[in-house]
Amino acid sequence: EVQLVESGGGLVRPGGSLSLSCVISGFSVSDNYVSWVRQAPGKGLEWVSMIYSGGTSLYADSVKGRFTISKDNSKNTVYLDVYSLKPEDTAVYYCASHYCSRGICFFDDWGQGALVAVSS
Amino acid sequence: SYVLTQPPSVSVAPGKTATVTCEGHTVGRTTVHWYQQKPGQAPLLVIFDDSDRPSGIAERFSGSNSGDMATLTISRVEAGDEADYYCQVWDSDTDHYVFGTGTKVTVL
Repeated sequence: EVQLVESGGGLVRPGGSLSLSCVISGFSVSDNYVSWVRQAPGKGLEWVSMIYSGGTSLYADSVKGRFTISKDNSKNTVYLDVYSLKPEDTAVYYCASHYCSRGICFFDDWGQGALVAVSS
Repeated sequence: SYVLTQPPSVSVAPGKTATVTCEGHTVGRTTVHWYQQKPGQAPLLVIFDDSDRPSGIAERFSGSNSGDMATLTISRVEAGDEADYYCQVWDSDTDHYVFGTGTKVTVL
């Protein structure tokens, strides 16, 4: 059974930083892709960042230069370091695993989410 | 950036058919996936690769994709289908994943 468990959310002041963790069981991050997807209160889903099995990363334009995704294969954990936080970054942050076939990927398993609230 | 537009809401009576659209420029040339999200829960994949259902998803859920419109169809709607639904694609021009604006399906 695949499980993704996020932690590290909380209340932070504008301009502050935070580190989110996603501990994964049921598959190896060394062989799979993982993304972070966020959802602001009452709003839709927004893809934030992805890390490939080899370690290459992608970012949404809204967070590029402020967020950093990384992973520790030995701990089977993916991280999202968020810096220079803005009120509009307030959201539930989900980590999600990818299933890929013939070059097409979708998100097949999700964590329960971690709330990040940015407020003074 | 690529935009996927969905109607904000769809209302349907139990036992009837709900149709959720996802409009995007030449979306038919890419592959669309659909997610269901109930309040307080993480999203759940209900359709992948335009029209395939993951195991455990009812046959009442189906999808299609052509031209500028992808469609999620829920047949014989049940109260438990009430949720938000999102379409999603991979934008190869920007190497970004893109979600639709989301549709709230209400069962009357």
